[in-house]
Amino acid sequence: QTVVTQEPSFSVSPGGTVTLTCGLTSGSVSTSSYTNWFQQTPGQAPRTLIYSTNTRSSGVPDRFSGSILGNKAALTITGAQADDESDYYCLLNLHYGLWMFGGGTKLTVL
Amino acid sequence: QVRLQESGPGLVKPSGTLSLTCAVSGDSISSDNWWTWVRQPPGEGLEWIGEIYGSGITYYNPSLKSRVTISLDKSKNQFSLNLSSVTAADTAVYYCVKKVTPTREYDSWGLGTLVTVSS
Repeated sequence: QTVVTQEPSFSVSPGGTVTLTCGLTSGSVSTSSYTNWFQQTPGQAPRTLIYSTNTRSSGVPDRFSGSILGNKAALTITGAQADDESDYYCLLNLHYGLWMFGGGTKLTVL
Repeated sequence: QVRLQESGPGLVKPSGTLSLTCAVSGDSISSDNWWTWVRQPPGEGLEWIGEIYGSGITYYNPSLKSRVTISLDKSKNQFSLNLSSVTAADTAVYYCVKKVTPTREYDSWGLGTLVTVSS
């Protein structure tokens, strides 16, 4: 069974740039995966950051960007801020009618 | 502005059926969108449960498919989740979410509701 993979944890310095990735144990992520990226802080519902690989949701600052890097989807945060410290999840369309989340990446800003 | 609000029992007995409703305001569930359920066990990651289109077409996570039913109530502009034969592993915060069809953006989330499976 295909699993969606993410780095369990990552750290970035304030003002720095970090790229989180989202891959598949079998196959490649492409624009046909319609990747969504979400940010979640403890006790809160997820917030949608990116959809369709690289389109920012309404109100999301342009320091968040999405792309395809090699065979994975990527979320890049440029100029990291303290309140970017959160859990980040990707969601992929594996085939029509089936979506799967990655396990999430815990991002620390320090 | 679309608003989604989950409701239902916070405690369900093992082997019973978990039933939740998501009330939608600011949009029609008959519109060109999908209506989705996602859950998150305490301290764990998100899991896509399944979704339903305004016409009634449904798709489910294969790992839950034998126990899950998602349905629409157009008269109340809400949709529902039924999960049968529950165990402690089904204890989670359950979220309802709207997905925009053309863009596949999961753009509006409910606040979530915690359901505990325990005797």
